[in-house]
Amino acid sequence: NAGVMQNPRHLVRRRGQEARLRCSPMKGHSHVYWYRQLPEEGLKFMVYLQKENIIDESGMPKERFSAEFPKEGPSILRIQQVVRGDSAAYFCASSPGAGPHYEQYFGPGTRLTVT
Amino acid sequence: AQTVTQSQPEMSVQEAETVTLSCTYDTSENNYYLFWYKQPPSRQMILVIRQEAYKQQNATENRFSVNFQKAAKSFSLKISDSQLGDTAMYFCAFLRAGGTSYGKLTFGQGTILTVHP
Repeated sequence: NAGVMQNPRHLVRRRGQEARLRCSPMKGHSHVYWYRQLPEEGLKFMVYLQKENIIDESGMPKERFSAEFPKEGPSILRIQQVVRGDSAAYFCASSPGAGPHYEQYFGPGTRLTVT
Repeated sequence: AQTVTQSQPEMSVQEAETVTLSCTYDTSENNYYLFWYKQPPSRQMILVIRQEAYKQQNATENRFSVNFQKAAKSFSLKISDSQLGDTAMYFCAFLRAGGTSYGKLTFGQGTILTVHP
C-alpha cells in the first residue's frame, strides 16, 4: 500500500505566478488535511477536505488560496499570485475516517520557493 | 483555542543515553489526544507516540515513552538508548476529541534533537 504522495517535491515560482500542489492520499483514505510549515516553525493547519467537500478551511488565508478534493484524482492546493511569504513546506495528510481515532499519515511535503 | 509550547529549540544527547523533550499545552478541553511526531532530515512526518487524555497510564512504544501530567498540562517525551537515527526535529501536537475538531492537529514549534556518536 503506497503512502501519501505529494508532487512536486520542490516547486519554484516567481512572484505573481500560480502554484498547484497535489496530494494523493493512501488507498482507501477519503479524508485529507493540508498543513503549512514556515521556516523554523511547526506545522499549521490549513484545510480539511473529504471527497468533493471542504469541511473546515479555518486555517486557510481568505484570499489567493483554494483547495479541492474531487471525486476522482488527487487533492489540489492552489495558490494564486504567489508572494514571497508563501515560501514554505506544504504537507498533506490522509486518514480513513474523521476524528482522533484515525491516524493521519503524512506525505513528504512540497517545498515552495517564491523568487 | 489550543496552544502547544516546546521550550527547547535544540537538544543533544550521546548515543545510548536518555533524553527528555518537554512540551506544555493550554486548553479548556477535558477530552483530547496528544502526539509526538518525528521529522527527520527527509522531512517526512512520522508518528512516534500518542496519548489519550482520559487514560492515566503513560504511553510507551519501545524506546519511547511519555510523562503525561494532565493537571500540569505537560507532555514530555523520553527517548531511551538514543540512536543516531533518532536525530530529527520532534513536534508535540494536540487534538481535540470532540466537537468539530475532526483531525485538526495543533503543533508546537519543534525541538531539534541531535544524537552524537
